[in-house]
Amino acid sequence: EIVLTQSPGTLSLSPGERATLSCRASQSVSSSYLAWYQQKPGQAPRLLIYGASSRATGIPDRFSGSGSGTDFTLTISRLEPEDFAVYYCQQRGTFGQGTKVEIK
Amino acid sequence: EVQLVESGGGLVQPGGSLRLSCAASGFTFSSYEMNWVRQAPGKGLEWVSYISSSGSTIYYADSVKGRFTISRDNAKNSLYLQMNSLRAEDTAVYYCARATSAVDFDYWGQGTLVTVSS
Repeated sequence: EIVLTQSPGTLSLSPGERATLSCRASQSVSSSYLAWYQQKPGQAPRLLIYGASSRATGIPDRFSGSGSGTDFTLTISRLEPEDFAVYYCQQRGTFGQGTKVEIK
Repeated sequence: EVQLVESGGGLVQPGGSLRLSCAASGFTFSSYEMNWVRQAPGKGLEWVSYISSSGSTIYYADSVKGRFTISRDNAKNSLYLQMNSLRAEDTAVYYCARATSAVDFDYWGQGTLVTVSS
């Protein structure tokens, strides 16, 4: 069973700063099946990135995904106030534990 | 507009049963694979179950195998989750989620809360 480990657990940043979130798999996974989600309090998750690097419909281009094999990254180029949330990576039936991006 | 609306959550005693429903609209339900994903209070996301578009292929997380049953009625555009032998650790918000061919979840319902407590 693949385990996805996200780091850091919490990222404290200011609006306008760059956020870099990591997702590491316990074994090599296909990039085609690596996705990222954003979840705000009281809301359902929202698909941001699929296939490791493709933005989902309506997702701003400040969000980008990269990586392959066991190491994947979600980058938010310039944080907007609405971007402070929890982010999860996912590969098939496995989710990472999440990274919380909070206002510094 | 794609919509997924869950219902059927509530308070149930340990060992009890509950049936969740998810009503789909805005897309051709019979063409899509569907999933249930849950989130315990203050915790992360946990995939629960998958069903193929025809219903012929089904998977469960080990944590619910033998206790939960996923099903669908394509004529009614509905997804179901029958939950038996419920435990305190099944307490969570349960989401239905549409799957893409790559098993991403591109649309989610708003969730329904299941609380297992005496």
